[in-house]
Amino acid sequence: NAGVMQNPRHLVRRRGQEARLRCSPMKGHSHVYWYRQLPEEGLKFMVYLQKENIIDESGMPKERFSAEFPKEGPSILRIQQVVRGDSAAYFCASSPLPGVAANEQFFGPGTRLTVL
Amino acid sequence: KNEVEQSPQNLTAQEGEFITINCSYSVGISALHWLQQHPGGGIVSLFMLSSGKKKHGRLIATINIQEKHSSLHITASHPRDSAVYICAVTNTGNQFYFGTGTSLTVIP
Repeated sequence: NAGVMQNPRHLVRRRGQEARLRCSPMKGHSHVYWYRQLPEEGLKFMVYLQKENIIDESGMPKERFSAEFPKEGPSILRIQQVVRGDSAAYFCASSPLPGVAANEQFFGPGTRLTVL
Repeated sequence: KNEVEQSPQNLTAQEGEFITINCSYSVGISALHWLQQHPGGGIVSLFMLSSGKKKHGRLIATINIQEKHSSLHITASHPRDSAVYICAVTNTGNQFYFGTGTSLTVIP
């Protein structure tokens, strides 16, 4: 059973471009969480999704950021018109049951986004 | 002030030493998590607990709900334990808060 997969592992974008980060949860997991780790800072929750639903997006910046988890395929975190401040490690985690606190989350290896 | 505070920020230990990392939080919680992040960035969930104590190998996690405090202990530390240890809590509204981590280096 493969773990949580994220791709790409490293992504370089120029200011103003779009970044698309993908997360494939563990098999049988239907709940996905995205976190951001800025340089020299701790992890911050961004968004919690279930298949075809956003459950909690309270940690997402209001502009330029969006997330989806379609019925088929990976979860996508999309950042439009990237700026240097978006440079960070973006981690995805998945769990089999609903609710952030209900059970253990399994983390992916992260995508390191660098904005030039 | 952060909702989750960890101490110490950095810790260096000799191989074999007993290690304690502390976590205090200021919100009502549903659960507390201890995570391990290795150089290179991968994150592993070590424990999730809402009361009492859990043990896994040489790792022990305890939580005191009344005092809003948790500790992570490592017995017989080893260089491969070198990593950043992160405390995180989920509050009753399912908001997730992270500490800034404790960087542990175990010297052979």
